[in-house]
Amino acid sequence: QSVLTQPPSVSGAPGQRVTISCTGSSSNIGAGYDVHWYQQLPGTAPKLLIYGNSNRPSGVPDRFSGSKSGTSASLAITGLQAEDEADYYCQSYDISLSGLVFGGGTKLTVL
Amino acid sequence: EVQLVQSGAEVKKPGESLKISCKGSGYSFTSYWIAWVRQMPGKGLEWMGIIYPGDSDTRYSPSFQGQVTISADKSISTAYLQWSGLKASDTAMYYCARHTGAVSTQGDHWGQGTRVTVSS
Repeated sequence: QSVLTQPPSVSGAPGQRVTISCTGSSSNIGAGYDVHWYQQLPGTAPKLLIYGNSNRPSGVPDRFSGSKSGTSASLAITGLQAEDEADYYCQSYDISLSGLVFGGGTKLTVL
Repeated sequence: EVQLVQSGAEVKKPGESLKISCKGSGYSFTSYWIAWVRQMPGKGLEWMGIIYPGDSDTRYSPSFQGQVTISADKSISTAYLQWSGLKASDTAMYYCARHTGAVSTQGDHWGQGTRVTVSS
């Protein structure tokens, strides 16, 4: 049972927009801690996709965007492409656990 | 170029000890934290703990406290994750990641992963 809750799977057709939610609590996201997002392509290490709730590292397409409100955060992907098929994870900090926490991950399928 | 290069895959028997490594290059190793993350087969990411090689300040997830030891040798820019008595349930891929802090920061560079298999 992950501290941050994500839907197990989402799907969309090429060109469409999908969103992935990440729900936390008052001891993590709701306490004001930043949310970060990672993309893990099959058989590879995770890669930083969004940091500090809504910032993109250099090289990440602007089709990817992040937002945060209250105890939740969201990752939006527009103009879906086949290469976006991957697992996506959110991450934050939990004051009760005194450590970093991940969401359970969401598998994105491009139909 | 920032790189984290991890040691190779390991196959061990239950009860054996193991130490895997993560070597940083292309940046000041003592100015960033190194986190360890477990990914069991077919499962999600789990944060295990984090170390600041500059002064060896180490924090553990409650789930992993007492189960593993995280250390670093700043003279060779290498962080370590070790077990004193492996269990079959330690079978997983282990990743190291660079962080700018121990609280609320992102892993901006990741190692390629070390696969650990524990089987009799």
